[in-house]
Amino acid sequence: GNSVTQMEGPVTLSEEAFLTINCTYTATGYPSLFWYVQYPGEGLQLLLKATKADDKGSNKGFEATYRKETTSFHLEKGSVQVSDSAVYFCALSPPNDYKLSFGAGTTVTVRA
Amino acid sequence: EAGVAQSPRYKIIEKRQSVAFWCNPISGHATLYWYQQILGQGPKLLIQFQNNGVVDDSQLPKDRFSAERLKGVDSTLKIQPAKLEDSAVYLCASSTRRRINEQFFGPGTRLTVL
Repeated sequence: GNSVTQMEGPVTLSEEAFLTINCTYTATGYPSLFWYVQYPGEGLQLLLKATKADDKGSNKGFEATYRKETTSFHLEKGSVQVSDSAVYFCALSPPNDYKLSFGAGTTVTVRA
Repeated sequence: EAGVAQSPRYKIIEKRQSVAFWCNPISGHATLYWYQQILGQGPKLLIQFQNNGVVDDSQLPKDRFSAERLKGVDSTLKIQPAKLEDSAVYLCASSTRRRINEQFFGPGTRLTVL
């Protein structure tokens, strides 16, 4: 079946530090891959996505590259801010399907 | 553009009681989803509607959970009777038919069953 495994948290960083959250997946074919973010007290928001191998999704300084050879979609940001404190979810949907399978989420706290 | 609205935001009930959650999707979004998010886990799809028809309810515990989407807009999710393990955040999401896997989520309803 389809599944997503992401780095366990919590992760605590200082402002301007480099952030990486690892995500690997199991799926048949070429799923679409997503990163969602959940800020405190808010609903999940789509952060970025990639729909085919070697695609790079980017938004708000975050990037993730779809790596078919390593079945990975790691999230990175070069210089985090306090406002990036949130829970980050990696997710996939199979080809021609709507269903989203989520990872367990990684809580990130950025200290000033 | 207004986002997905949900109410209530918080609910505390005792086991065996009933509870209902309401969702208003983004205007024009034909597809509506209900998810259950247990603490420490990612959201799990319970049911998907396309307009007012059910597309997928394979993960919905139908002995106690029910959902409807009358008129293809608002939706309600009901639990009757509630169990302790139903304590979770219930998320509603919506999407357009063209971009069906770009889902927009509401803030959720946090349910605590005592």
